[in-house]
Amino acid sequence: DQQVKQNSPSLSVQEGRISILNCDYTNSMFDYFLWYKKYPAEGPTFLISISSIKDKNEDGRFTVFLNKSAKHLSLHIVPSQPGDSAVYFCAASARDYGGSQGNLIFGKGTKLSVKP
Amino acid sequence: EPEVTQTPSHQVTQMGQEVILRCVPISNHLYFYWYRQILGQKVEFLVSFYNNEISEKSEIFDDQFSVERPDGSNFTLKIRSTKLEDSAMYFCASNEGEYQPQHFGDGTRLSIL
Repeated sequence: DQQVKQNSPSLSVQEGRISILNCDYTNSMFDYFLWYKKYPAEGPTFLISISSIKDKNEDGRFTVFLNKSAKHLSLHIVPSQPGDSAVYFCAASARDYGGSQGNLIFGKGTKLSVKP
Repeated sequence: EPEVTQTPSHQVTQMGQEVILRCVPISNHLYFYWYRQILGQKVEFLVSFYNNEISEKSEIFDDQFSVERPDGSNFTLKIRSTKLEDSAMYFCASNEGEYQPQHFGDGTRLSIL
């Protein structure tokens, strides 16, 4: 079951440059997308989200872009900092017709390394 | 900032024994969830809970699993008779409502011997 795919297991970026993390999905019913950051021995930490009615959401250094026609979203981090080094997970949910909240479907994650 | 707390951080149990994992969700949140991550694999949804009942569960959440909100603050996951393949990180999450981000605890590492 690969409804949410993160095809790059790792990404290395120089401090101060832009980090772009990508995520593809297959289920057209997904209507809410999130990015989480995870450090070892900790739980996923929420970063930023976007609903399917938007194509961009920005919060400080983090911007998420959603391309519904391509079923693709990306997370941009500008400028990247060494403290951003972590595993980044893309997640998606689909509210069912019964109105339930919808569980999150996660990608496998991309390990970002930001070099000083 | 309020956070989801989980206890214990690590639980070691003999196969066939019952185990209870505990979570205290964020106090004003209404929806509660359990996920698990087997080593090297994706984070997988187990169950969601709202208004004192299960609202959704995955195929993983079979009769060996149960959830309970025994009081106004705790949310527990019970595995009745553990199997080796239950070894994983178990994460609790909570959120305020629809289209609100789920916030996760730091997890319980469950090791079945």
